[in-house]
Amino acid sequence: EIVLTQSPGTLSLSPGERVTLSCRASQSVSSNYLAWYQQKPGQAPRLLIYGASSRATGIPDRFSGSGSGTDFTLTISRLEPEDFAVYYCQQYGSSFTFGPGTKVDIK
Amino acid sequence: EVQLLESGGGLIQPGGSLRLSCEVSGFTVSSNYMSWVRQAPGKGLEWVSVIYSGGSTYYADSVKGRFTISRDNSKNTLYLRMNSLRAEDTALYYCARSSGYSSTWGAFDIWGQGTMVTVSS
Repeated sequence: EIVLTQSPGTLSLSPGERVTLSCRASQSVSSNYLAWYQQKPGQAPRLLIYGASSRATGIPDRFSGSGSGTDFTLTISRLEPEDFAVYYCQQYGSSFTFGPGTKVDIK
Repeated sequence: EVQLLESGGGLIQPGGSLRLSCEVSGFTVSSNYMSWVRQAPGKGLEWVSVIYSGGSTYYADSVKGRFTISRDNSKNTLYLRMNSLRAEDTALYYCARSSGYSSTWGAFDIWGQGTMVTVSS
């Protein structure tokens, strides 16, 4: 099983700041089948990025994904008030596993 | 409108059984990959099971042998039969779709709102 590790666990930031979230896999993710999700309290997760770097339908271009192999990154270029949430990475190259999440909260 | 509507959750004693349903509108269940994903209170996401468009099924090790995923094509509905329930199965259970094709094949692009399962005596 591929284990995903996300860092940091929590980030305290201000609107307008640039955010970089990390997701590291215990082994190489096949074909970079790596997705990112955003989850707000009381809501279902929302797909942001698939295939490591492709934005899902309707996702603003301030969200971008990069990386390959075992190291992946989600970047939010400028934090908007609605971006404060928990972010999960997920791999689907070998079965399905999620990372533990990174919480982005307001400083 | 695309919609996933889960039901069937509730309070159940350890060792009991429950069947969750996910009624789908706006697309065809049998043409997509459909999964169950759960989230324990205050915790992260855990994939539980998938049924592929061809009918193959797969499970997380934590539920293998106890849970069964299925679908009813005539009702466009996904199910999760849960037997031998344990306290650690307590969670909000989401159904989710993945397209099954190209680089998005296993990313969950549509989610329901979830149904809560509480296993407790």
